Amino acid sequence: SYVLTQPPSVSVAPGETARITCGGNNIGSKSVHWFQQKPGQAPVLVIYYNSDRPSGIPERFSGSNSGNTATLTISRVEAGDEADYYCQVWDSSSDHRGVFGTGTKVTVL
Amino acid sequence: QVQLVESGGGVVQPGRSLRLSCAASGFTFRNYGMDWVRQAPGKGLEWVAIIWYDGNNKYYADSVKGRFTISRDNSRNTLYLQLNSPTAEDTAVYYCARGAGTTNWYFDLWGRGTLVTVSS
Repeated sequence: SYVLTQPPSVSVAPGETARITCGGNNIGSKSVHWFQQKPGQAPVLVIYYNSDRPSGIPERFSGSNSGNTATLTISRVEAGDEADYYCQVWDSSSDHRGVFGTGTKVTVL
Repeated sequence: QVQLVESGGGVVQPGRSLRLSCAASGFTFRNYGMDWVRQAPGKGLEWVAIIWYDGNNKYYADSVKGRFTISRDNSRNTLYLQLNSPTAEDTAVYYCARGAGTTNWYFDLWGRGTLVTVSS
């Protein structure tokens, strides 16, 4: 089965840039989606199709995907960005199934 | 208001059954594929199952295949998940999520979740 690996944690100072990676075998050939989850809340879609932003998501959130790594970038980090972030792909290689990354806790210092 | 509202969670004994529901409103439910995603306490997200917009295709995670059944009633705008023979490992918050995309499926709308605790 397809595996997505994320760093457990990323720390960043307010106003700086946070980069969260999502590693997978040839992930660049897939579309990667990203979710933000704050404590006690449901996940929220922040990036879809590698780099598209849903309406209402700030331009500070951006995404890229190439080779074996996809990246979610949060520019000008704010205290409200502190949350868990998950990448996700859809694996149709042998069956249809969703695959989530292991998750990254972003801490704003 | 576009929303998904889960219900039916609670404490269930190992080996018993439980049915979760997800009521959709504010959008044309019958046009969308729907999924269940769960999250064990303190753990990450785990995709559970998907059902096509018309109910004709269903797929499951290996961890629940043969035990859980996803279904829908488009006349009632409701999604279901039947949990049969649950074990302690099935203890989690269960979210329903609306599917988007075609071959590269993602989840653009989530409910607030319902907690299932499997315990004797």
